[in-house]
Amino acid sequence: TQLLEQSPQFLSIQEGENLTVYCNSSSVFSSLQWYRQEPGEGPVLLVTVVTGGEVKKLKRLTFQFGDARKDSSLHITAAQPGDTGLYLCAGAHSGGGADGLTFGKGTHLIIQP
Amino acid sequence: DADVTQTPRNRITKTGKRIMLECSQTKGHDRMYWYRQDPGLGLRLIYYSFDVKDINKGEISDGYSVSRQAQAKFSLSLESAIPNQTALYFCATSDLLEQFFGPGTRLTVL
Repeated sequence: TQLLEQSPQFLSIQEGENLTVYCNSSSVFSSLQWYRQEPGEGPVLLVTVVTGGEVKKLKRLTFQFGDARKDSSLHITAAQPGDTGLYLCAGAHSGGGADGLTFGKGTHLIIQP
Repeated sequence: DADVTQTPRNRITKTGKRIMLECSQTKGHDRMYWYRQDPGLGLRLIYYSFDVKDINKGEISDGYSVSRQAQAKFSLSLESAIPNQTALYFCATSDLLEQFFGPGTRLTVL
C-alpha cells in the first residue's frame, strides 16, 4: 500500500519556468523529507520539515509541510537544467525515520534548456 | 571514500540461486536499512536494524533475509532468487535526522 501519493510522476518544462511537486497522504507523519536522486546514485536529502505549516527555502527551492502534517509540496522557481532529476518525498512515522521511511513514487523532472 | 558502500554494484543471476548483497558504512551509525526501488513504485523498506542484535521486518520482507555482522556491516540475502526480485537495491544508514544511502546494487534475476 502506497501511503504517500506524489504528483506529477513526470514533468518536462522549459528553463526559467516555475513548477510545484505535491506529496499527499491520509496518514500523519512526524516529519517529511525530500530527496533528490541522480542516475546511478542513491537518494540525497534536500530538506526535512517537522512542524505543521513549516516552510523552508533552499535557494530556488521552497518546501512546505501542511498544517495537519499529512502533505507537503516542493516549489522550484526559475528552473534550471541542473535541477533535472528524480525527486522523492518520504515520510517518517517515528522520530527521524528510525523505523524506516515511507517513500512516494517519485517525480521525474526534466528541465530543457 | 564513500561513507556507505555496496557490493556488488551490478549482478545478474538465475532463478533459484542464492545471492548476497553486502553493505558497509564508515559513518558510525547504529541504524541501517535495506530498500528496493522499482520503476514507478519508489523505494520500499525490506529490513532494518537498530544494532548488531536487532533485526526488524519492513514492508516487503518476504523472500529476503538479513544479517547484521557488525555495526558497520549489514547484508541482504535472497535465499532462492525469483525474477520479480529484479530491482535496484539500496542500503542506508541513519543518524535519526537523515538517511544516507549507498550507490545501489542493480540485481537482475533471469
